[in-house]
Amino acid sequence: SQQGEEDPQALSIQEGENATMNCSYKTSINNLQWYRQNSGRGLVHLILIRSNEREKHSGRLRVTLDTSKKSSSLLITASRAADTASYFCATDGVFQGAQKLVFGQGTRLTINP
Amino acid sequence: EPEVTQTPSHQVTQMGQEVILRCVPISNHLYFYWYRQILGQKVEFLVSFYNNEISEKSEIFDDQFSVERPDGSNFTLKIRSTKLEDSAMYFCASSDRGPQRSPLHFGNGTRLTVT
Repeated sequence: SQQGEEDPQALSIQEGENATMNCSYKTSINNLQWYRQNSGRGLVHLILIRSNEREKHSGRLRVTLDTSKKSSSLLITASRAADTASYFCATDGVFQGAQKLVFGQGTRLTINP
Repeated sequence: EPEVTQTPSHQVTQMGQEVILRCVPISNHLYFYWYRQILGQKVEFLVSFYNNEISEKSEIFDDQFSVERPDGSNFTLKIRSTKLEDSAMYFCASSDRGPQRSPLHFGNGTRLTVT
């Protein structure tokens, strides 16, 4: 199974602090993606990092990828109450016919004002 | 910004009944997907669809499930005879290229309740 696993399952921090979420996966990948899900809503794509990239930034988001350890991290800097959501990593698979993203269990992030 | 739309937002049905969940993907996208999420749990892949045929499906997607793109805009998921364990949020998604190269755009889901 290529399924990713996020760590921690839940994270609660104060507004303004940084939040770090980790993801591990099992198979070789072309890319790894991070998504956010607000309660009761669909998933929103945040960032895509390719297997030949080690770090990528988008606004207050920083994603790293270590293919040797099959792991990725998502850092949200200067967190805001609006960042409260669940965050999922998702991986494709480097095998013929791979036409799906597999999502991890997610990290439930709570930002306390 | 174009978005994926799903209808209905909430569907209640009795066990054994057929349901059709509807989705309108982003117009220039070529790849279509259904996922489901049982309350508070992980997002599970059901099926991907490209070039008018299923390109990949999961073990969950058994003979009770089918997908169709009946015209140029709609993408539907049919569950022939619903079971209690089919209760979940069902998400449709689309992408312009395959998941190896592009992100998925998700709708806001249909909450299916089987009683």
